[in-house]
Amino acid sequence: NAGVTQTPKFQVLKTGQSMTLQCAQDMNHNSMYWYRQDPGMGLRLIYYSASEGTTDKGEVPNGYNVSRLNKREFSLRLESAAPSQTSVYFCASSWQGLDGYTFGSGTRLTVV
Amino acid sequence: AQSVSQHNHHVILSEAASLELGCNYSYGGTVNLFWYVQYPGQHLQLLLKYFSGDPLVKGIKGFEAEFIKSKFSFNLRKPSVQWSDTAEYFCAVKGNNRLAFGKGNQVVVIP
Repeated sequence: NAGVTQTPKFQVLKTGQSMTLQCAQDMNHNSMYWYRQDPGMGLRLIYYSASEGTTDKGEVPNGYNVSRLNKREFSLRLESAAPSQTSVYFCASSWQGLDGYTFGSGTRLTVV
Repeated sequence: AQSVSQHNHHVILSEAASLELGCNYSYGGTVNLFWYVQYPGQHLQLLLKYFSGDPLVKGIKGFEAEFIKSKFSFNLRKPSVQWSDTAEYFCAVKGNNRLAFGKGNQVVVIP
């Protein structure tokens, strides 16, 4: 089925470890986004990519990097994980940002 | 930058009761407004959206929302809720090519 695929679904890291969250969409959307969801905080934008080859910071970019590998894929990297990055991470995509977003099923990350 | 405020973070009600969730936004440009729902353990799904035209928007599962420009509001309503409406509801406003979300309303419907 068409949509946004995120991997992994669950991950536990030790403080200081690095990892990359993967996201791919097969809807030919131009724009892609990474959000984190924390209780009582709603969704906060980490980074986004309005089109292939571009990336921009969102509200909470510190501690993260992104790569828009091609039109389909947008990865999120934690270089040195911290407990404050324990969260649920959602990737989303949209057609040029002009419509509602399609969300992936999320990655639940715990940093100990 | 745009921002969204949602009130009454936790709502508990009985089946068949009416539901109204408030949403106020701030944004200086043309607004596109959304309501998303997140069922327990799932990702966000679009309930309804407003771009232009009729300010009363109907979405899926019997939900509707009314855009009131003078009040900067986009409140969500459902006349009669069901147990299956237990979920978290997020209002969002689009601006500068990205969505800003409110903090959400946790709604629990008691059978």
